[in-house]
Amino acid sequence: QKEVEQNSGPLSVPEGAIASLNCTYSDRGSQSFFWYRQYSGKSPELIMSIYSNGDQEDGRFTAQLNKASQYVSLLIRDSQPSDSATYLCAVNENNDMRFGAGTRLTVKP
Amino acid sequence: DAGVTQSPTHLIKTRGQQVTLRCSPKSGHDTVSWYQQALGQGPQFIFQYYEEEERQRGNFPDRFSGHQFPNYSSELNVNALLLGDSALYLCASSLGVNQPQHFGDGTRLSIL
Repeated sequence: QKEVEQNSGPLSVPEGAIASLNCTYSDRGSQSFFWYRQYSGKSPELIMSIYSNGDQEDGRFTAQLNKASQYVSLLIRDSQPSDSATYLCAVNENNDMRFGAGTRLTVKP
Repeated sequence: DAGVTQSPTHLIKTRGQQVTLRCSPKSGHDTVSWYQQALGQGPQFIFQYYEEEERQRGNFPDRFSGHQFPNYSSELNVNALLLGDSALYLCASSLGVNQPQHFGDGTRLSIL
């Protein structure tokens, strides 16, 4: 059974801090990795994609991938209250996209 | 540039009925995937359509079926509805398989 695991949270950080979200996956054949943000009552919104080991940066967001350890993480720098949402990790292997249950992040002003 | 559109927004059905949900992909996208999301859970992959064929399927019974049309739009059909089918049904499109997917706003299905 292919699994994608995330801490459900809630993760609470003060405004301006770095939020660190982690995800582990079980299928070593996984090829592509994604982070989605989902506000309450809304659909998931793609924020980061990463395909190879190392870091991928986009503005305040950095995705990190370590295939040997089978984990992918998301760092949010200078966290803002508007970043408060559930963050979903998604792992794709041969067209089979698996999502974690999500980590709920709260950024306190 | 139109994003992924889904219809209807909300739907109420009773047990045993059948339902059809519709999805139009983002302009330029050719691949459509369907997901079921229960409250407090991540989306669960139902199946993916590319070139009008089901390319991959998740762990869902045959009551869940789909179709993709030549214009890349797609339908999700669920027969013999159960109470446990109550969920948010999400459609996502991409340009090719294994590519980043963009989600529609979903259809919230309630089974009474």
